[in-house]
Amino acid sequence: KAGVTQTPRYLIKTRGQQVTLSCSPISGHRSVSWYQQTPGQGLQFLFEYFSETQRNKGNFPGRFSGRQFSNSRSEMNVSTLELGDSALYLCASSLTTGGTNTEAFFGQGTRLTVV
Amino acid sequence: GESVGLHLPTLSVQEGDNSIINCAYSNSASDYFIWYKQESGKGPQFIIDIRSNMDKRQGQRVTVLLNKTVKHLSLQIAATQPGDSAVYFCADGLTFGKGTHLIIQP
Repeated sequence: KAGVTQTPRYLIKTRGQQVTLSCSPISGHRSVSWYQQTPGQGLQFLFEYFSETQRNKGNFPGRFSGRQFSNSRSEMNVSTLELGDSALYLCASSLTTGGTNTEAFFGQGTRLTVV
Repeated sequence: GESVGLHLPTLSVQEGDNSIINCAYSNSASDYFIWYKQESGKGPQFIIDIRSNMDKRQGQRVTVLLNKTVKHLSLQIAATQPGDSAVYFCADGLTFGKGTHLIIQP
């Protein structure tokens, strides 16, 4: 069974640009969550999608957005990039929503560098 | 707001010793907790979980203890091995703590 796949693995963007990251969950998983990981802040929750609907949202500005498609694949978009957006972006898939009842399976992440 | 936190950013132990990693949570309504292990260059991986109707759960070389009275959980790793070197996170639903970096001394 294939794991969670995130593309691309590495990305370098310039301040002010926008970026789209992609996540393909484990087959059969309908929940996809996104996290930002930085050395000082650990894993910070961005948002969760379940069956194409955003079910939960973290405390990030509106520049961060996402969507989920009917095949459960998800994309995350960051507009007007800032230097502080440099981070590892992790995607996780699970069977249920809200992080309850079952564990999440993580991809290897996309390393975004903003210069 | 709700938060999940770990007490120590770094924990150094001797190979073969037992390790204890702690975590505090603030949401008294939380009923499901997970410990994850993240090795360098990889995403977090599930280690063990526990529900709020339990005080203790054991896996292979790992034990999780939950104290709902003080909203605290811990991960115990027995006979620590070099492969246990990683960052450990506790999670309460979708919220993760900042992680403890476990360093194994030879």
